Amino acid sequence: GAVVSQHPSWVICKSGTSVKIECRSLDFQATTMFWYRQFPKQSLMLMATSNEGSKATYEQGVEKDKFLINHASLTLSTLTVTSAHPEDSSFYICSAGTGKETQYFGPGTRLLVL
Amino acid sequence: GQQVMQIPQYQHVQEGEDFTTYCNSSTTLSNIQWYKQRPGGHPVFLIQLVKSGEVKKQKRLTFQFGEAKKNSSLHITATQTTDVGTYFCAGPGGGGNKLTFGTGTQLKVEL
Repeated sequence: GAVVSQHPSWVICKSGTSVKIECRSLDFQATTMFWYRQFPKQSLMLMATSNEGSKATYEQGVEKDKFLINHASLTLSTLTVTSAHPEDSSFYICSAGTGKETQYFGPGTRLLVL
Repeated sequence: GQQVMQIPQYQHVQEGEDFTTYCNSSTTLSNIQWYKQRPGGHPVFLIQLVKSGEVKKQKRLTFQFGEAKKNSSLHITATQTTDVGTYFCAGPGGGGNKLTFGTGTQLKVEL
């Protein structure tokens, strides 16, 4: 149980384009979804917290207009990296929570912006 | 803001040797969680500790939560190559079930 999927698993795009990443909880309803970014050899940094039907809460330093988060249902959240630049290249990981403190992580999406 | 530090940053051991990573939080934690991330993979939940001084074991892994609930440790006995990866501790902070991840300890095991 508690399986979270992400799509795509990796993406290469040109600078200036937008990329959408989907995060789905497959066998449970996630009251909250979290989006993290992880650069090589570094820890996970929380970007934003997403609750179904409401606006995402962004961490300090994360641009809301650049990283658009939509949480349309209790099983789906999307992260759109708008006008991507090479410095946005990273490993993006979502996690889903059920209201308790344990989070279940998706397999991640590797983004490379050329 | 809350900071969670881990030491060491890297550990290189021979197979069969023991390994320990230490986690220290700048604030008192209601619980501490441990995750393992294999190279190229995503974090996988290992365990959650809640009580002060709590010790839990999973086969060769021993997890401990400090008395003051600000530190924790993970000890692996007789490491195996399957133990390779980065171990993160994480504690709740900032409300809304958010987690603050530690800096991580990367473990490499040589035959």
